[in-house]
Amino acid sequence: KNEVEQSPQNLTAQEGEFITINCSYSVGISALHWLQQHPGGGIVSLFMLSSGKKKHGRLIATINIQEKHSSLHITASHPRDSAVYICASFGNQFYFGTGTSLTVIP
Amino acid sequence: DTAVSQTPKYLVTQMGNDKSIKCEQNLGHDTMYWYKQDSKKFLKIMFSYNNKELIINETVPNRFSPKSPDKAHLNLHINSLELGDSAVYFCASSPDRAGGTQYFGPGTRLTVL
Repeated sequence: KNEVEQSPQNLTAQEGEFITINCSYSVGISALHWLQQHPGGGIVSLFMLSSGKKKHGRLIATINIQEKHSSLHITASHPRDSAVYICASFGNQFYFGTGTSLTVIP
Repeated sequence: DTAVSQTPKYLVTQMGNDKSIKCEQNLGHDTMYWYKQDSKKFLKIMFSYNNKELIINETVPNRFSPKSPDKAHLNLHINSLELGDSAVYFCASSPDRAGGTQYFGPGTRLTVL
């Protein structure tokens, strides 16, 4: 069993829909990261969270340390949001989720 | 200006050959990493260097040898390439080793024939 689990594995949405991607982890971490991997392969760091909530444009990330759970929300989704989203933890140990492949259809 | 760059972007080679991938960052970061992404898109840490010192060396065949000539560069040399080495290799950097935000290079797609 992976220390970091994501759901769903694949997600297809219509443009404009509200999207939620979940990440649960079973290990102690100091911070959780959300990464975006574009269809072309490049990886971009979206958020680093150790508590509460962060917002950047249409993206919102939340974390509940007690429940060991984080969510990534995308409001008013757009086809350019189509990518693989990965949750991860970096530090003394490195853990990666298996990724969620999101496709937003116009 | 590219923050983290890797060369080459694509590398196609025969089994048994030796190859290198170069990585450079111009962010002034102290820590650099090599990751391997397999065909199922799963990322795994391979190595990490902090100020030219190896700090993470995961279970990786000793055919893989990282080298950091200075803190802005981290190269990956692979000896006796095998079919299973085919993957995308990402270099990344972060300000320090404390687990902060990482900045990824564009990746090098290695194909071993």
